[in-house]
Amino acid sequence: GQQVMQIPQYQHVQEGEDFTTYCNSSTTLSNIQWYKQRPGGHPVFLIQLVKSGEVKKQKRLTFQFGEAKKNSSLHITATQTTDVGTYFCAGGETSGSRLTFGEGTQLTVNP
Amino acid sequence: DTAVSQTPKYLVTQMGNDKSIKCEQNLGHDTMYWYKQDSKKFLKIMFSYNNKELIINETVPNRFSPKSPDKAHLNLHINSLELGDSAVYFCASSHRRYGLAGGEQFFGPGTRLTVL
Repeated sequence: GQQVMQIPQYQHVQEGEDFTTYCNSSTTLSNIQWYKQRPGGHPVFLIQLVKSGEVKKQKRLTFQFGEAKKNSSLHITATQTTDVGTYFCAGGETSGSRLTFGEGTQLTVNP
Repeated sequence: DTAVSQTPKYLVTQMGNDKSIKCEQNLGHDTMYWYKQDSKKFLKIMFSYNNKELIINETVPNRFSPKSPDKAHLNLHINSLELGDSAVYFCASSHRRYGLAGGEQFFGPGTRLTVL
């Protein structure tokens, strides 16, 4: 079955540093979604990428979808303490409605 | 109004007991899901229903039985609870007709199950 791998599993940064998490799928994806889960909270949708090579920005967050639609990345510029949480990518199958979640990257930001 | 709600928020019970978790969404979505999140934060799909029809049934023990009385509700019943069932269970919903893997998923607040 489809597997979605995400690295790193943990990332500790100083406030103001940049952060990147990477997502790789064993199969070609129809789309990729990104979610953020604050400590003690539930996953919250951030964005969906659909097109090959697509790049989207949300303020300090930049999302990329690879040309082969098998990998993706989330980059945060100048992290803030409010960025703390676990970031999940989730790959959509080319058939069916299943989303397969990566293992998540837990980000901590030291003030 | 809460979009996706779950009850209870916390559930502490003894091994061997049977328990249920309820989920309701008021978003008008066609598809609902149950996920299990373990202590390492890994989110694993368990079940998915579309218009009350079971469409995803992962390799979950038979002790777990989902039930969808209507499009807006998806409950999870667990028989003979085991220590390994301790986790956070999330309900989610999406508008499947968007076609692309169901589009954005909206998660409930989660139910933290502790089996003693």
